[in-house]
Order: sequence, then C-alpha cells, then structure tokens
Amino acid sequence: NAGVTQTPKFQVLKTGQSMTLQCAQDMNHEYMSWYRQDPGMGLRLIHYSVGAGITDQGEVPNGYNVSRSTTEDFPLRLLSAAPSQTSVYFCASSYNEGTYEQYFGPGTRLTVT
Amino acid sequence: QQQVKQSPQSLIVQKGGISIINCAYENTAFDYFPWYQQFPGKGPALLIAIRPDVSEKKEGRFTISFNKSAKQFSLHIMDSQPGDSATYFCAATIMEYGNKLVFGAGTILRVKS
Repeated sequence: NAGVTQTPKFQVLKTGQSMTLQCAQDMNHEYMSWYRQDPGMGLRLIHYSVGAGITDQGEVPNGYNVSRSTTEDFPLRLLSAAPSQTSVYFCASSYNEGTYEQYFGPGTRLTVT
Repeated sequence: QQQVKQSPQSLIVQKGGISIINCAYENTAFDYFPWYQQFPGKGPALLIAIRPDVSEKKEGRFTISFNKSAKQFSLHIMDSQPGDSATYFCAATIMEYGNKLVFGAGTILRVKS
C-alpha cells in the first residue's frame, strides 16, 4: 500500500491564481480530511469527508473548496489564492470517522506571492 | 483562541535524558487525546494516545500522563535518543462528533548526542 499520497510536493502561485491539491489513499478509508500547518499554530482542520459524496467544513474553510466523488480521492481547491494561504497542507485519512488513528500524507508546501 | 495549549515551544535534551512536553485543554467534552510525531519533510504520525478514563499510558519509552481535574496531559520520553528529534503535537477531539482533531502548536525536540 502507498498509504496517503499528495501531489504536488511544492507549489508557488501568484495571488489570484487557482489550483487543486491532490490527495489519494489506497486503504479504502471512508474518512478523509485536509489540514494546514502554520508555524506556532499547529495543524488546523480545513474540510473533511465521512464518505464519497459527503463533505463538511472544519475550523478554517474560507477560501477552499472540496469534493469527494470517489472513496480514494479528496482534492482541495483554491479558487483565488491569497498570501494568507501560504502554508503546508496535509491530507489525512482513517478507516471511518469513529476510528481513532489518522494517517497523514507527506504534505504540500504552498507559497502564494 | 487556541483550545489546546502546548509548551514548551522548543526543547533541547541530552541523550539519555527525559523529555517532557505539556498540554492543557479547555473543552471538557474532549474524550481522546493523541500525540503525533513529525519528522522534517514528513506528515505527522500517531505516536501514542489516551482516553480520559485512565491517568497514564505507557508504550516503550513514551508515556502519557493525564490529569482530568486539571485538564492537562503530558508526554514523557524516557532515555531520549537523537532519533527522537522531531516535532511533537498534542491533540484532542470529541469522538462522538467525528475525528476532527484540534492540535496544539507543537514542540520542536532536539536530543543532543
């Protein structure tokens, strides 16, 4: 199993550009989520999904969209990037929303200039 | 407002020493408290976790101590090794509402050989 994979590893955007961060897992996990990691703030939940076709907002959802058309994939879309979205983004998954352990991907480092 | 406060921000320990990281929380509804370990360039990985019905949990050199009345929990790393050098995050969640983790700000641990 590859586990949780994320692409790209690094990305630089200009303010106002859009892009999609990809996340995939091959563990047949129902629950997937996106976090952003900023210095001094730990990780904060952006959006999550409890299964295909079901998504909901986390703590910091503004400026981000998600969809979940398959169990495996959970892309995160930035519609109009802002410098405040410069961060490291992590995707995570777990067997279901009641499963304690979450598996994190390697992260995408995004810089918005 | 940070729901989980973590200290210290950074920690330097000699090889063989004890590393202690502390966390405090506000929400008494939290019922699951995991610790995650993150190496540079990697995603966080679950290290050890505790439920509030026990006061201590030990796994190898890693121990969580939990004080429900004080709303505090801590990670102790015994016989610290250079390979333990990483960033450690405490977290909390309410499992009834899904596995949405609230993280502390993180502690950068360096173990000197």
